[in-house]
Amino acid sequence: DAKTTQPPSMDCAEGRAANLPCNHSTISGNEYVYWYRQIHSQGPQYIIHGLKNNETNEMASLIITEDRKSSTLILPHATLRDTAVYYCMRSGNTPLVFGKGTRLSVIA
Amino acid sequence: GAVVSQHPSWVICKSGTSVKIECRSLDFQATTMFWYRQFPKQSLMLMATSNEGSKATYEQGVEKDKFLINHASLTLSTLTVTSAHPEDSSFYICSARDRDSGNLEQYFGPGTRLTVT
Repeated sequence: DAKTTQPPSMDCAEGRAANLPCNHSTISGNEYVYWYRQIHSQGPQYIIHGLKNNETNEMASLIITEDRKSSTLILPHATLRDTAVYYCMRSGNTPLVFGKGTRLSVIA
Repeated sequence: GAVVSQHPSWVICKSGTSVKIECRSLDFQATTMFWYRQFPKQSLMLMATSNEGSKATYEQGVEKDKFLINHASLTLSTLTVTSAHPEDSSFYICSARDRDSGNLEQYFGPGTRLTVT
C-alpha cells in the first residue's frame, strides 16, 4: 500500500514548468514526503524531500500544503530528459513503498 | 552524492541454478539496505530489509529460503536467488541509507536484470 495518490500520466511541453500533484491525506506527523523518478530500465533517482516547509534544490521545488495532506513537485523548465515515472512517497523510519507513480512525458 | 553500485548489471542463468547479486555502497556506510524487484510495466516492490550483522526482514509473500540475503559488512549486501525459475526473471534493485548522514534518504543502485531460461 503506497498510501499516496498520483495521476497515472501527464504531458508537459519542453521548456515549460511541470507540476506533478500528490495526495497523502493520511500522512503522519513524523513522515517526510519523498519524490523519486525512474527513467526506463534504471534505478530510481532521488529528487527532493520535505517535512512541512517548501523545499528547493537544483532539480526541483516541492510545495507542501499547510495541512500536509498534499504536495506538488515542480520541475521549472522541463526537458526531454525529464521524461520518466515520478514517484511520491511518504516515510518516517520505514522503507520507501512505491506506488504506480505518474508517467511524465515531456513533448518537444 | 552517495553512490550505490550493483553487480552484475545483467545476468542470464539456467533454470535450477543460483545467482548472486551484489549491492555496494561506494562512499558511505550503510547499516540498512533494501532489496526491491520490478516486473515489466510494474512498480518496484519491496522484498526485504537487510541490516548489517543481523537477519534480514522479509516482506509478506517473499520466500526467505529462496531469496537469501547477507549483509556482512557496512558496505555490502548480497541477494542470492536459489534454484531460479523463469518466473524469477525480473529487475532487482537495491538501495541503502547512509548511516552517518542523519537523514533517512534511500540511495538506489542501477539495478540487475535477471533472466532465467
